Amino acid sequence: DAGVIQSPRHEVTEMGQEVTLRCKPISGHDYLFWYRQTMMRGLELLIYFNNNVPIDDSGMPEDRFSAKMPNASFSTLKIQPSEPRDSAVYFCASSPNRDRPYGYTFGSGTRLTVV
Amino acid sequence: GDSVTQMEGPVTLSEEACLTINCTYTATGYPSLFWYVQYPGEGLQLLLKATKADDKGSNKGFEATYRKETTSFHLEKGSVQVSDSAVYFCALSDRDSGNTPLVFGKGTRLSVIA
Repeated sequence: DAGVIQSPRHEVTEMGQEVTLRCKPISGHDYLFWYRQTMMRGLELLIYFNNNVPIDDSGMPEDRFSAKMPNASFSTLKIQPSEPRDSAVYFCASSPNRDRPYGYTFGSGTRLTVV
Repeated sequence: GDSVTQMEGPVTLSEEACLTINCTYTATGYPSLFWYVQYPGEGLQLLLKATKADDKGSNKGFEATYRKETTSFHLEKGSVQVSDSAVYFCALSDRDSGNTPLVFGKGTRLSVIA
């Protein structure tokens, strides 16, 4: 398996622009998680899905952030409009839904810079 | 709620030194415990895990023992290498809390110098 695949690896955008981050989880994994990592706040859980259904989005910082999972093999995290304080590394992770604990498999992340 | 507390870094060691990174937890149920490692520019990778009291997880020369009596899961390595330089995260999964996400500590940065 290729693991959790995120794209793009790096994104530089101007303030006010829309940004879309993409994630392909490991096939057969039922859980998908979006995290944000910054030096100041560490690793923050933004939202997670189970079987493509959002379970908890209480970590989404503002209405500017939205996430979708239209099918089992794809998820997006969108920021519209983007702001400089959104600059961070965004990680996607997936996990199987059986006999926990399996832990998570993380993607390599998308480094977002908003200027 | 559940929480994980790790020793603050950064930790700087010379090559071949002994490493201990402390981790303690609070959980309402009977958690499973994990250590993740993040190398520069990469995502987190599962390093080792333990699912019940007195279990020892081990991988790549690292070890951690699940101590229920002290609610701890300290990470140890007898002889570190430069390639071990990374950020280490302790985490728990509380099986009794249903399908809740992993709870991560804040991470401990380790730098090993030659």
